[in-house]
Amino acid sequence: EDQVTQSPEALRLQEGESSSLNCSYTVSGLRGLFWYRQDPGKGPEFLFTLYSAGEEKEKERLKATLTKKESFLHITAPKPEDSATYLCAVRRMDSSYKLIFGSGTRLLVRP
Amino acid sequence: DTEVTQTPKHLVMGMTNKKSLKCEQHMGHRAMYWYKQKAKKPPELMFVYSYEKLSINESVPSRFSPECPNSSLLNLHLHALQPEDSALYLCASSHSQGNEQFFGPGTRLTVL
Repeated sequence: EDQVTQSPEALRLQEGESSSLNCSYTVSGLRGLFWYRQDPGKGPEFLFTLYSAGEEKEKERLKATLTKKESFLHITAPKPEDSATYLCAVRRMDSSYKLIFGSGTRLLVRP
Repeated sequence: DTEVTQTPKHLVMGMTNKKSLKCEQHMGHRAMYWYKQKAKKPPELMFVYSYEKLSINESVPSRFSPECPNSSLLNLHLHALQPEDSALYLCASSHSQGNEQFFGPGTRLTVL
């Protein structure tokens, strides 16, 4: 059965304290893995797409990496404005439309 | 223009009301989606339109009726909803069904 598991559920960091969020997936044939950021009451904001193991993408303080079983979202020297829920989603090779979402990691960065 | 817009931002309706949610994008995307999201849960797919035709209906109750008048617009007609339908309704679009989806800000729906 296809499954996406994100950990931890919640993470509290001090400003400047780097850390990583994990997204483990089990899917029969990965077409793509997507990272989104979601602020409370808002729609998810697209961050990255990763397609194959070994691929890396960067944007400001965020860096996403992909292996055959999991993806990491590394946050370097976070700021309070990085506080949000980070969602991971995968798309199967044989399902072009449906995203399988993880439950998200709620990140709080304290000043 | 690189955004998806949704109206209204908030909607309160009774169980006997009829209302509509609207979504618009001008990115030339040919796939559009409706999602429902409950608090502290990930979005759940409801409908997919591809080239203005309904492609996917994820077994959504008939009290939700989607409509795609043209390639830029997507509506969701609501009738006889239940309190448990209260949620954040999200619209998204993508270049095709296989690419990353871009979400709108959502409509916060409350059913009394």
